[in-house]
Amino acid sequence: NAGVTQTPKFQVLKTGQSMTLQCAQDMNHEYMSWYRQDPGMGLRLIHYSVGAGITDQGEVPNGYNVSRSTTEDFPLRLLSAAPSQTSVYFCASRAGRYYGYTFGSGTRLTVV
Amino acid sequence: AQKVTQAQTEISVVEKEDVTLDCVYETRDTTYYLFWYKQPPSGELVFLIRRNSFDEQNEISGRYSWNFQKSTSSFNFTITASQVVDSAVYFCALSEAGDSSYKLIFGSGTRLLVRP
Repeated sequence: NAGVTQTPKFQVLKTGQSMTLQCAQDMNHEYMSWYRQDPGMGLRLIHYSVGAGITDQGEVPNGYNVSRSTTEDFPLRLLSAAPSQTSVYFCASRAGRYYGYTFGSGTRLTVV
Repeated sequence: AQKVTQAQTEISVVEKEDVTLDCVYETRDTTYYLFWYKQPPSGELVFLIRRNSFDEQNEISGRYSWNFQKSTSSFNFTITASQVVDSAVYFCALSEAGDSSYKLIFGSGTRLLVRP
């Protein structure tokens, strides 16, 4: 049982490049989310999904896209990377609204 | 509006000391959930506890204990006889049961350093 798997663990991008951060969970959780963690700011919600085919914006969605074609996968796309998107990204899933989130191990992204 | 405040940015203690991490929250919902997560130097987020708003009983798990007080909107976390392995960043988080139940609102975290 792998839980929540994120790839890659580290990535360096040049300004303007695009890329996709992968997230997969094998717990059949309906809820999935992407958070970014910046120093002194805790974690902030980027996008979330409450089931396959359903996604919505969180607190800081600009510059990111998501899709949820299956229950298991919830990729995060950076359309045109900017230095302000340098951060640690966490994917998380939960069984339902009353449960805690299980987090992936994170992706450390640097945009130069 | 929902908000979680962890006023202690960093705490440093000597091993075997007791330490309390403060968490104050704001919500208009009567049903909500509070969480603590641990982020060790390796970077992953480890779930520690979930508490619903109707259960004000204190909880103890080994050296860890949690004090939930609705009257002061606080959910404090105490580590008894701290150990070096407790060194980490600790996050308090809030989730409401209503329309915004999809998200966790995190505090900014408290960095705990336990010195040998």
